[in-house]
Amino acid sequence: DAGVTQSPTHLIKTRGQQVTLRCSPKSGHDTVSWYQQALGQGPQFIFQYYEEEERQRGNFPDRFSGHQFPNYSSELNVNALLLGDSALYLCASRSGSYYEQYFGPGTRLTVT
Amino acid sequence: DQQVKQNSPSLSVQEGRISILNCDYTNSMFDYFLWYKKYPAEGPTFLISISSIKDKNEDGRFTVFLNKSAKHLSLHIVPSQPGDSAVYFCAADRGSTLGRLYFGRGTQLTVWP
Repeated sequence: DAGVTQSPTHLIKTRGQQVTLRCSPKSGHDTVSWYQQALGQGPQFIFQYYEEEERQRGNFPDRFSGHQFPNYSSELNVNALLLGDSALYLCASRSGSYYEQYFGPGTRLTVT
Repeated sequence: DQQVKQNSPSLSVQEGRISILNCDYTNSMFDYFLWYKKYPAEGPTFLISISSIKDKNEDGRFTVFLNKSAKHLSLHIVPSQPGDSAVYFCAADRGSTLGRLYFGRGTQLTVWP
């Protein structure tokens, strides 16, 4: 049973560039959420996707956008990268009305 | 505005003894609480959860206690093992915004032989 997978593992981008991160949910899960974890902090909620629509959004600017595909996989896009966007980006999935979310290994983004 | 707080950044415990990790929250609307364990270079791993209608939940060596009146929960690990050394995150959720987890900053647990 495959868990949540994310790609790429690491990424280095230059300030002002754009980046796309990818996530495949755990088998049987239909809801995907994205989190940003800065060094020394807990994960911060970015947004959640269900039925290919953004259902909830945290306190992140419009530079952060996403998409969910019919197979429930998801992408996180960040435009006009800032140095402060350097962080670990985590994808989590869950099923239906269950509270428990399962996380992928994350993508480490470094903006220089 | 940190709605979930873990005030101890680190905890050191001898192997075989009990580890107690604490978590406080400020939002009385939270109705579900989860604990995650995180090793370096890995994503958080779900450990155990508890609904606000309960005050205790056990799973093997792990027990979570919830005190709603104090807005406090704790994770007990008995007996502690060196492999338990990791960062532990407390998280909270609520039905009206199901799926939006609010995390604490984590507690680094070190279990020494």
